Amino acid sequence: GAVVSQHPSRVICKSGTSVKIECRSLDFQATTMFWYRQFPKQSLMLMATSNEGSKATYEQGVEKDKFLINHASLTLSTLTVTSAHPEDSSFYICSARDQRHYEQYFGPGTRLTVT
Amino acid sequence: GQSLEQPSEVTAVEGAIVQINCTYQTSGFYGLSWYQQHDGGAPTFLSYNALDGLEETGRFSSFLSRSDSYGYLLLQELQMKDSASYFCAVRTNQAGTALIFGKGTTLSVSS
Repeated sequence: GAVVSQHPSRVICKSGTSVKIECRSLDFQATTMFWYRQFPKQSLMLMATSNEGSKATYEQGVEKDKFLINHASLTLSTLTVTSAHPEDSSFYICSARDQRHYEQYFGPGTRLTVT
Repeated sequence: GQSLEQPSEVTAVEGAIVQINCTYQTSGFYGLSWYQQHDGGAPTFLSYNALDGLEETGRFSSFLSRSDSYGYLLLQELQMKDSASYFCAVRTNQAGTALIFGKGTTLSVSS
């Protein structure tokens, strides 16, 4: 149980285009999902907290107009990187909090490369 | 501010025991978690301590001292597959606030 999926696992896009990453909780409902970014050999940095049915809360320094988050259902949150630039190339990882308790489960991550 | 400190690198040989320490300074504290991450993969949950003391799960054990704002992960009978990055992470409240991660410790296990 407690499986979180992400799609796609890898994506390459051209500078200036937008990319959508999906995060799904497969066997539990998640009122809260989190989006992290991780650069090579570095730690996970929280980008935003996504609550079902409401606006996401962004961490300081994260541009909400660039990283659009939608959490339209209890099992799906999406992160859209708009007008992507090479510096947005990173490993994006979501986690989902099981609403029955407070454990978080991580997705497998999405490696984004912007050329 | 909030910070978690852990060593950047640790090396050991197969069969050995390794301890990875983590000290934290956060505005709230509900528990300390440990995650393992292999290159290119996502973090996988190893252990969680909310109360002082030692939690044992197979070859891995985790310890917490809330009064010292300190914890450690103990890995026994090291295997090559244990080579990975290990992160400590603090849960700052019960309500599910996202985890705050340390910078990670890269463990290299050699034969």
